[in-house]
Amino acid sequence: NAGVMQNPRHLVRRRGQEARLRCSPMKGHSHVYWYRQLPEEGLKFMVYLQKENIIDESGMPKERFSAEFPKEGPSILRIQQVVRGDSAAYFCASSPPSKLAGRRDTQYFGPGTRLTVL
Amino acid sequence: GQQLNQSPQSMFIQEGEDVSMNCTSSSIFNTWLWYKQDPGEGPVLLIALYKAGELTSNGRLTAQFGITRKDSFLNISASIPSDVGIYFCAGPSDNFNKFYFGSGTKLNVKP
Repeated sequence: NAGVMQNPRHLVRRRGQEARLRCSPMKGHSHVYWYRQLPEEGLKFMVYLQKENIIDESGMPKERFSAEFPKEGPSILRIQQVVRGDSAAYFCASSPPSKLAGRRDTQYFGPGTRLTVL
Repeated sequence: GQQLNQSPQSMFIQEGEDVSMNCTSSSIFNTWLWYKQDPGEGPVLLIALYKAGELTSNGRLTAQFGITRKDSFLNISASIPSDVGIYFCAGPSDNFNKFYFGSGTKLNVKP
């Protein structure tokens, strides 16, 4: 039973380029969360998606950042025109579908994508 | 957003010692979560707490949900080298649409 997969594990971009980070949730999971982690800090919530819907994007910068979770395929976090301050580890977590909100505390995290902007 | 403060920021202990760390919040949480993160990896859930006053164990780990619902504690007994890592507390918003994480307690264990 494969866990949450993220790719690439490491991504280097020059300022102004685009970064695309992919997250494949665990099989059967329909909820995806994206987080950003700066060195020596905790994880900061960015966005919560269900299949084909953005549920809460209150943690995501209004410009340059977007996220999607299509009906088929992985969830994508896209950062346009990257700047040095975007350098961080980006984690996604998935959780199973449930009508009981309490089940969504069982988040399974991927290994993260480490983005470096030169 | 909600602020979660963890202390201590880091700890250096000898193998075999017990460890205590805590997490306080500016607001009430109805669920408290404790995670461990190894270098280069994503966090792994250790313990989840759902009721004020609840005490839950997972092997050598014990966590408590504070009575005020604004704090939680994690204890590790008889530490071993593989306990090294960063421990995070976290709590969800009421609708579970977002999760707030503390800044972590970095644990170092000397063999």
